[in-house]
Amino acid sequence: EPEVTQTPSHQVTQMGQEVILHCVPISNHLYFYWYRQILGQKVEFLVSFYNNEISEKSEIFDDQFSVERPDGSNFTLKIRSTKLEDSAMYFCASRSPTGLADTQYFGPGTRLTVL
Amino acid sequence: SQQGEEDPQALSIQEGENATMNCSYKTSINNLQWYRQNSGRGLVHLILIRSNEREKHSGRLRVTLDTSKKSSSLLITASRAADTASYFCATDADYKLSFGAGTTVTVRA
Repeated sequence: EPEVTQTPSHQVTQMGQEVILHCVPISNHLYFYWYRQILGQKVEFLVSFYNNEISEKSEIFDDQFSVERPDGSNFTLKIRSTKLEDSAMYFCASRSPTGLADTQYFGPGTRLTVL
Repeated sequence: SQQGEEDPQALSIQEGENATMNCSYKTSINNLQWYRQNSGRGLVHLILIRSNEREKHSGRLRVTLDTSKKSSSLLITASRAADTASYFCATDADYKLSFGAGTTVTVRA
């Protein structure tokens, strides 16, 4: 069964460093998302992406964040200058334009630790 | 905010028993989805119920939706130890999911 994959599973970085989190959505999906979950808190929406542009972003998704679909398969989240409060689990999700079009399928997550 | 809120926060049951958890939300939705998360792991999609549906089944899962009360319930029948996880409802009004805080279910062998 197709699934969303994310790499790395765990990323440790120093405050102020740039990180790029990688996602490979399900191959025929066209809608892509990033969410995050700070330890012990709710899963929060960050950004949605369709047709090579951001559809919607939350207040969390400030100028330090960017997303990109550099090729036909990858979807990345970049944090330019990480802060301690960026430590969280980051989930990528994708959605098909057809069939079960409302269902978002999540990857296993990347745990980001900012020291 | 349209965020779902689950109740109870935690639930401990014996294997074989049923587990019921509830979700309330505030605004109109297109659909409501339930996800499972094992400790520190990813979100696994369980079931989606649309706003024009009242009940849906998938294996041992039964979901109800009452849009007049803005509430949903998830029932897991004949629970197993492997059902131990956190369960989240997520409301979808515009393809942006809003998650609740979750119900932590512990199934005792």
